[in-house]
Amino acid sequence: SQTIHQWPATLVQPVGSPLSLECTVEGTSNPNLYWYRQAAGRGLQLLFYSVGIGQISSEVPQNLSASRPQDRQFILSSKKLLLSDSGFYLCAWSVHYEQYFGPGTRLTVT
Amino acid sequence: QQQVKQSPQSLIVQKGGISIINCAYENTAFDYFPWYQQFPGKGPALLIAIRPDVSEKKEGRFTISFNKSAKQFSLHIMDSQPGDSATYFCAASPAGTYKYIFGTGTRLKVLA
Repeated sequence: SQTIHQWPATLVQPVGSPLSLECTVEGTSNPNLYWYRQAAGRGLQLLFYSVGIGQISSEVPQNLSASRPQDRQFILSSKKLLLSDSGFYLCAWSVHYEQYFGPGTRLTVT
Repeated sequence: QQQVKQSPQSLIVQKGGISIINCAYENTAFDYFPWYQQFPGKGPALLIAIRPDVSEKKEGRFTISFNKSAKQFSLHIMDSQPGDSATYFCAASPAGTYKYIFGTGTRLKVLA
């Protein structure tokens, strides 16, 4: 069966510090991968998606970036965090239409 | 801009009652409509989904009704239970993509 992992589960970072969130998927090959952000009490905003290694599409211009160094690994990064980057970050995978979400990372920028 | 409008924002239902959440879209070029359930601090979990060539789909206590002409779809939770208390999101996928556009969510509370 397929499993998706995200780490860390929670993170508190000061403004201006770098960020690296990691997502890995097990049990499937060549998945589509997605990064979403969810602000408190709000919906899900698609940030990036990838259909293959090295192929990244950005949905929202911002100070975040994404990379896919391996087939089942998706990384969300920032060089300098802003207060507005706080939120719940979710990774998801799909092979066809159904998207399956990871447990999320709660990021608080102070 | 493609949008999916979800209502109500919050909903309180008695145990055993029917919970109904509605979504509407404007762009006709969507070809997949899933519903997700999210508990606090957890990632959303896929509940049920429908394609536009079907008017209704039922899985257990959960039913999606789809009205293509009205560009609306809804989630019905029959015999609602306190364990159903969560936030529910609808979504729509633009045809030819595997991306989703999500609604803003409905916070459901089922009273015991």
